[in-house]
Amino acid sequence: ESVLTQSPGTLSLSPGERATLSCRASQSVSSNYLAWYQQKPGQPPRLLIHDASTRATGIPDRFSGSGSGTDFTLTITRLEPEDFAVYYCQQYVRSPPVYSFGQGTKLEIK
Amino acid sequence: EVQLVQSGAEVKKPGESLKIFCKGSGYSFSSYWIAWVRQMPGKGLEWMGIIYPGDSDTRYSPSFQGQVNISVAKSINTAYLQWSSLRASDSAMYFCARRRTTLTARDFDYWGQGTLVTVSS
Repeated sequence: ESVLTQSPGTLSLSPGERATLSCRASQSVSSNYLAWYQQKPGQPPRLLIHDASTRATGIPDRFSGSGSGTDFTLTITRLEPEDFAVYYCQQYVRSPPVYSFGQGTKLEIK
Repeated sequence: EVQLVQSGAEVKKPGESLKIFCKGSGYSFSSYWIAWVRQMPGKGLEWMGIIYPGDSDTRYSPSFQGQVNISVAKSINTAYLQWSSLRASDSAMYFCARRRTTLTARDFDYWGQGTLVTVSS
């Protein structure tokens, strides 16, 4: 079973700063199968990044994804007030077919 | 406009059965996999299973296999998540989500608003 571990658990930053969130897989992940989501309180998750580095429709370009193999990163340049939320990475493993999420990183206002 | 609309909040007693739904609109419902995701209070996201409405092909997370049943009525663009005997530990928010439909996509681009299930005696 491949497990996703996100770090840090909580990240405290100020608006305008740069956020770097990490997602590490216990087994190599095909880049096609790594995505990032944002979730705000009382809302469903929103797809930000798919295929490790492709922004989903309507996502601002201050969000970017990178990485391959077992190490992936979500970067948010110039934090806006609305970016403070919880972020999850998600992977798909082909055999057996399983989807799984990391435990999340909470991005909070400093 | 693509929408996934879920059934309303439920309050049930341990041992009772429950079936919640997720109704899709604004797209070809039969052509997109629909997943169910659990979020326990204050916790992260857990994938439960996924179904393809076109042929009802269903896959379950090992953690949820045998604990829930996922089904679909494609004629009415609706997916279901069902329990035969609820436990207090089933209390959570449940989301449905549509998987993007490309040959390689394995992520979820549209989500329902969530159904809160509370199981308490």
